[in-house]
Amino acid sequence: SQTIHQWPATLVQPVGSPLSLECTVEGTSNPNLYWYRQAAGRGLQLLFYSVGIGQISSEVPQNLSASRPQDRQFILSSKKLLLSDSGFYLCAWSYSPGSGTDTQYFGPGTRLTVL
Amino acid sequence: AQTVTQSQPEMSVQEAETVTLSCTYDTSENNYYLFWYKQPPSRQMILVIRQEAYKQQNATENRFSVNFQKAAKSFSLKISDSQLGDTAMYFCASLGGDKVIFGPGTSLSVIP
Repeated sequence: SQTIHQWPATLVQPVGSPLSLECTVEGTSNPNLYWYRQAAGRGLQLLFYSVGIGQISSEVPQNLSASRPQDRQFILSSKKLLLSDSGFYLCAWSYSPGSGTDTQYFGPGTRLTVL
Repeated sequence: AQTVTQSQPEMSVQEAETVTLSCTYDTSENNYYLFWYKQPPSRQMILVIRQEAYKQQNATENRFSVNFQKAAKSFSLKISDSQLGDTAMYFCASLGGDKVIFGPGTSLSVIP
């Protein structure tokens, strides 16, 4: 069976500090991978998605970046955090297009607080 | 562009009763999928039910069923025999192409 992991679960960082959130998927190969942000009491905002190693599409221009160094690893980064970066970050995966199903499956999330 | 609208920010239902959550969407895609996700207080996003747009039959999963009205672009979720564990945020979502678009969510409270 497939599982998706995110760490850390919670993070408190000062403004201007760097960020690295990691997401890994087990039990499948060549998944599509996604990073979402959810502000308090709000819906999900798609930040980045990737259809393969080194292939990243950005949905929202901002001080965040994403990388996919390995097939099942997706990293969200920032060089300098802003207060507005606070939120709940969710990673998700789906099977590759053409596989017959496009359902997204979510990780447990990371709660980021920028002070 | 795809949009998903949920017009009910908050709803409540008595335990064991039935509740319907509303969702409307707009998409230019011919082939698309619709989803309902549940987010309990733990904040884990859990897939509740999935509907392929080309299927006329409404999807069902145990106590959860949808009313899919393609011409009206409506996709409501019915929860029967509501349980305390159904208390959560419910998000309607549309997938067309590469991306899923989520609605703003409906907060459902099940009252004992």
